[in-house]
Amino acid sequence: LAKTTQPISMDSYEGQEVNITCSHNNIATNDYITWYQQFPSQGPRFIIQGYKTKVTNEVASLFIPADRKSSTLSLPRVSLSDTAVYYCLVGAVGTNAGKSTFGDGTTLTVKP
Amino acid sequence: DTAVSQTPKYLVTQMGNDKSIKCEQNLGHDTMYWYKQDSKKFLKIMFSYNNKELIINETVPNRFSPKSPDKAHLNLHINSLELGDSAVYFCASSQRVGALYEQYFGPGTRLTVT
Repeated sequence: LAKTTQPISMDSYEGQEVNITCSHNNIATNDYITWYQQFPSQGPRFIIQGYKTKVTNEVASLFIPADRKSSTLSLPRVSLSDTAVYYCLVGAVGTNAGKSTFGDGTTLTVKP
Repeated sequence: DTAVSQTPKYLVTQMGNDKSIKCEQNLGHDTMYWYKQDSKKFLKIMFSYNNKELIINETVPNRFSPKSPDKAHLNLHINSLELGDSAVYFCASSQRVGALYEQYFGPGTRLTVT
């Protein structure tokens, strides 16, 4: 199972771009990389998922280098409401993949 | 309509008591999960069911017993509660088994054992 490592916390200011990196050195060939966002007193929610190169949606971008041993979640022009914990999750399909555990999470604090 | 719901939202109880948390999903998903989140925000999977069958049973004290009466429900019963059981418990569901599939989380149940 791919273990993930993320920074414990990050600070930013409104309007800045924030990049959160997740390391997953033993990622398997079939594994995808998924990011979740958790606001205080809520359950995590899906943000973005990718396998390689770059994925973009209305919320964020996900950059995955060719070796796939890390990934970077990019949040453009953050606002105070982006203050949350961000989790990186690596895994694929099947029973064993269901054991994929969330990383320890990165607490992002956006300041005015 | 709430996709994944849990009851109760808050649970305060004394050591040694037995309590249950209920979870229901109306998404038609095959797979459901229980997670425990401690005060440091670490999110740890406890159990997973696929089509009412237990497929993941992490290292969890046997005081914790999940039960899935049907695909839409996954309940968690905890016997002889201990102080260390205090945490937020999240139920989640996904279309199929595996991290590839988006997991939908409930609002959580904050359990406080005194």
